[in-house]
Amino acid sequence: AQTVTQSQPEMSVQEAETVTLSCTYDTSESDYYLFWYKQPPSRQMILVIRQEAYKQQNATENRFSVNFQKAAKSFSLKISDSQLGDAAMYFCAYRRKTQGGSEKLVFGKGTKLTVNP
Amino acid sequence: GAVVSQHPSRVICKSGTSVKIECRSLDFQATTMFWYRQFPKKSLMLMATSNEGSKATYEQGVEKDKFLINHASLTLSTLTVTSAHPEDSSFYICSAGGPRLAEQYFGPGTRLTVT
Repeated sequence: AQTVTQSQPEMSVQEAETVTLSCTYDTSESDYYLFWYKQPPSRQMILVIRQEAYKQQNATENRFSVNFQKAAKSFSLKISDSQLGDAAMYFCAYRRKTQGGSEKLVFGKGTKLTVNP
Repeated sequence: GAVVSQHPSRVICKSGTSVKIECRSLDFQATTMFWYRQFPKKSLMLMATSNEGSKATYEQGVEKDKFLINHASLTLSTLTVTSAHPEDSSFYICSAGGPRLAEQYFGPGTRLTVT
């Protein structure tokens, strides 16, 4: 079974600084998706970034970028120029590619990010 | 992006009663819907996966007779918590997806309090 591990229960960063959230996963599949989701206090799950396993290029979305190391099964999220609105729980998630959006997500336990003004 | 709604957003019910939570995909057809439960400061725990027109597939440890899931149309799935007890109090989240969709789309969640 696939597993996702987030080893940092809590992280903090100063506003405008950069922070990296860690995620490792375990799978025997060769093609899959990895995601980072943000859950602010409203508890609405928001997709931050998505990475396809067969793509070697790291995904980037504005201030958010990932460091995807397939061999090491590592998928970290870097947030640059941190803003107060980035404060949230961040979940790393894995999904097999076979049935697209019909495949279930496997979530890590989450990292609570605090942004200090 | 695609929009998923949940209703109600909050519900308080008395112990022993049943409560129904609706999950709707507003602008797309969702062949698959997922139901999660989330405790405070914890991750999402998948309860069940439902495919339109079929019986839901429940995760290990989830009582199918207690958490009834119906996915009768491509835009609506319902979760009914039967004979609710205080320990069923939680935050319930649905998401909607399909084989042709690249990702799942999450509803805003429902906070259930059983008194």
